[in-house]
Amino acid sequence: QVQLQESGPGLVKPSQTLSLTCTVSGGSISSGDYYWSWIRQPPGKGLEWIGYIYYSGSTYYNPSLKSRVTISVDTSKNQFSLKLSSVTAADTAVYYCARTTSLRFLERWGQGTLVTVSS
Amino acid sequence: DIQMTQSPSSLSASVGDRVTITCQASQDISNYLNWYQQKPGKAPKLLIYDASNLETGVPSRFSGSGSGTDFTFTISSLQPEDIATYYCQQYDNLPLLTFGGGTKVEIK
Repeated sequence: QVQLQESGPGLVKPSQTLSLTCTVSGGSISSGDYYWSWIRQPPGKGLEWIGYIYYSGSTYYNPSLKSRVTISVDTSKNQFSLKLSSVTAADTAVYYCARTTSLRFLERWGQGTLVTVSS
Repeated sequence: DIQMTQSPSSLSASVGDRVTITCQASQDISNYLNWYQQKPGKAPKLLIYDASNLETGVPSRFSGSGSGTDFTFTISSLQPEDIATYYCQQYDNLPLLTFGGGTKVEIK
């Protein structure tokens, strides 16, 4: 059964770059059957899809974040990563990675990691 | 952009009650809608995909219906373990995925 696990710093300073990695186990990120997504959820608020990547490196980003987001993949490590630049307090959130079926639904999620933006 | 409006934002019901949540899209999205359950402190879990298809392993008391702009999510008999926030999510406007604001379900 595939599992996803987010990792990265829990505290980032304003104006710096948030960097997270999602490690996939129990299945290959290169299988070609899935896209791999990042989603975030500010404390006490709803869900916001950030973007996804295919194992080939093709990416799609939420237009509201596109200028600051980069998602990359490392198939040799079975990982994909998120970078969000120029962060502010508004970027404080739990960040989730998820396996995405046919670009349509998020059918397996990581447990999430809280990233706080504060000096 | 397609906006997804869920109602109510919260509800309180008794164990055994039938619970209904609605999700309205700002334009026709066919059946391109999914439903998720998020328990406190946990990641969301896919329950329903393509408006009415039950994800494998999900109890049959959960169901979804609708097409076009109006969708319904139903719990036929509310159980204590169903306490959660429920979200709808559209995928008509690919590659952009958008979520409704969520409905928090509590036990009365």
